[in-house]
Amino acid sequence: AQTVTQSQPEMSVQEAETVTLSCTYDTSESDYYLFWYKQPPSRQMILVIRQEAYKQQNATENRFSVNFQKAAKSFSLKISDSQLGDAAMYFCAYRRGRVGSQGNLIFGKGTKLSVKP
Amino acid sequence: DARVTQTPRHKVTEMGQEVTMRCQPILGHNTVFWYRQTMMQGLELLAYFRNRAPLDDSGMPKDRFSAEMPDATLATLKIQPSEPRDSAVYFCASGSDRVRNTEAFFGQGTRLTVV
Repeated sequence: AQTVTQSQPEMSVQEAETVTLSCTYDTSESDYYLFWYKQPPSRQMILVIRQEAYKQQNATENRFSVNFQKAAKSFSLKISDSQLGDAAMYFCAYRRGRVGSQGNLIFGKGTKLSVKP
Repeated sequence: DARVTQTPRHKVTEMGQEVTMRCQPILGHNTVFWYRQTMMQGLELLAYFRNRAPLDDSGMPKDRFSAEMPDATLATLKIQPSEPRDSAVYFCASGSDRVRNTEAFFGQGTRLTVV
């Protein structure tokens, strides 16, 4: 069975600084996706960034980037130039990639990020 | 603006009462998920539908929970009878597994409080 582990329950960063959130996963599949979701106090789950396992290049979305280490099964999120609005819970998630059998998202327990002004 | 719509947003009910939560998935999506979020357990999958057929409800307490998709535009999650331990936020999400874009879109959740 696939598992996702986030080892940092809480993190803190100074505004404008950079922070990295860690995530490891376990799977025997070769075709899968990895995601980072953000959940602000409004509780809406917002997709931050997505990585396809077969792509070696790390995904980037503006200030958000990932460090995808497939062999190590590691998928960390880097937030550059942190802003107050980045304060939220961040969830790492896994999903199979095969069309027609992707199944559900499997989530880590989350990391609560605080941003200090 | 396509979105997953969940109703109600908040629900307070007494122990023993029936609770029904509703979800309207995004038009054209063929997969629907129900998740429960608690502080202790995080996000747990309760049910997973594909093309309206239930594929996985192993995370759902069968004695009191039931999930259905009467049609492609409506998914329901019912708890009968409700208990205080059911207090949580319940999320519905939808997606399409017909293509490789596997993003799941979430509703805003139903915060359930059972007293």
